[in-house]
Amino acid sequence: QVQLVESGGGVVQPGGSLRLSCVGTGLTFGGHGMHWVRQAPGKGLEWVTFIRYDGSDEYYADSVKGRFTIYKDNSKNTLYLQMNSLRPEDTAMYYCAKDKAVRYLDYWGQGTLVTVSS
Amino acid sequence: EIVLTQSPATLSLSPGEGATLSCRASQSISAFLGWYQQKPGQAPRLLIYDANRRATGIPARFSGSASGRDFILTISSVEPEDFAVYYCQQGSDGLFRFGQGTKLEIK
Repeated sequence: QVQLVESGGGVVQPGGSLRLSCVGTGLTFGGHGMHWVRQAPGKGLEWVTFIRYDGSDEYYADSVKGRFTIYKDNSKNTLYLQMNSLRPEDTAMYYCAKDKAVRYLDYWGQGTLVTVSS
Repeated sequence: EIVLTQSPATLSLSPGEGATLSCRASQSISAFLGWYQQKPGQAPRLLIYDANRRATGIPARFSGSASGRDFILTISSVEPEDFAVYYCQQGSDGLFRFGQGTKLEIK
């Protein structure tokens, strides 16, 4: 079955950088687009970014545009999120999720926690 | 920018009762709406897509419907494991936004 496992979260100072990873198994990784979604403590879901199956296009929420970059290495079955210029409001659990039809998110990882604090 | 507004914020029910959760889109999204369930400490799970299609493995007590910009998630008879937060999400414009959520709690 499809499994997604995130890693790379941790505590970082404001203005710092972090790279998250998401390894997928049980799926043809290169055949699917992928998303990152975050959830601040006690808050709702916020979609962050999406990349097409072949990496040919990317979409970003306004809140992260210009600071975050999504990319994938299909040879390693791995999705990445490079996060720069981090702010306290970026503190959240970050989930990777598999795309369904460039419209929905049908499989999710368990998340990795990012805390931005001095 | 498409905004999804969910109501009510909290729904208090007893097991066995029927549940009706609403989601209204600020503009037309055709039928490109999904519903997700999230239990405490867990990742969300896709329940419904394209407004009324059940995702793989989702019980038949969950159903979705649509009328224009208004979308409904119905749980025919709430089971104890259904108490959770439910989110709608639009798949229309490539920005995949979520509603603010409805918490289904035990009465």
